[in-house]
Amino acid sequence: EDQVTQSPEALRLQEGESSSLNCSYTVSGLRGLFWYRQDPGKGPEFLFTLYSAGEEKEKERLKATLTKKESFLHITAPKPEDSATYLCAVQARYSGGSNYKLTFGKGTLLTVNP
Amino acid sequence: DADVTQTPRNRITKTGKRIMLECSQTKGHDRMYWYRQDPGLGLRLIYYSFDVKDINKGEISDGYSVSRQAQAKFSLSLESAIPNQTALYFCATSDASGGADTQYFGPGTRLTVL
Repeated sequence: EDQVTQSPEALRLQEGESSSLNCSYTVSGLRGLFWYRQDPGKGPEFLFTLYSAGEEKEKERLKATLTKKESFLHITAPKPEDSATYLCAVQARYSGGSNYKLTFGKGTLLTVNP
Repeated sequence: DADVTQTPRNRITKTGKRIMLECSQTKGHDRMYWYRQDPGLGLRLIYYSFDVKDINKGEISDGYSVSRQAQAKFSLSLESAIPNQTALYFCATSDASGGADTQYFGPGTRLTVL
């Protein structure tokens, strides 16, 4: 069974204080690993898809990296508007048409204080 | 305009009432999904549809039904609402044409069953 564990559950930073969020996963053949941002009461907003170990993607102050067992979301010099819950999800290479399935972690609630 | 829209955005109803949540998309994707999100439980898949003639149950389909009226429209119904169906409901779409099946979420419907 696919599993995703995110840590920490909550992280509080000062504006400008860089840090990383962790997503550990187990999956039988990774098709893709996804990062989403979710603001309170709103839908998850797609950030990145990573496909294979060693891959990195960047968007503004965010950088996602991938190894065979985990992914990191690095936040450089965060601002208060980066405050949100960040969700990680994996998709496996199943046969029989099941390769759509996303397994989500519980998320990391990031708060950036001014 | 948003690519994935959901109506209504908020709904309060009473136990036993029938309710329909609607989702429309302009992304041109074939695949559509319905999820619910509960605090501490994360996102769980209710139903999914790969095209107009293909509808499948997800992990928590009991008490729900769906209708795929067109490629762009996917509705979720609660035939007889109960209080434990109080949750945030999200529609998502994907096209499976890339290396992985990236899902894009709508803004959500907050449903309260009294």
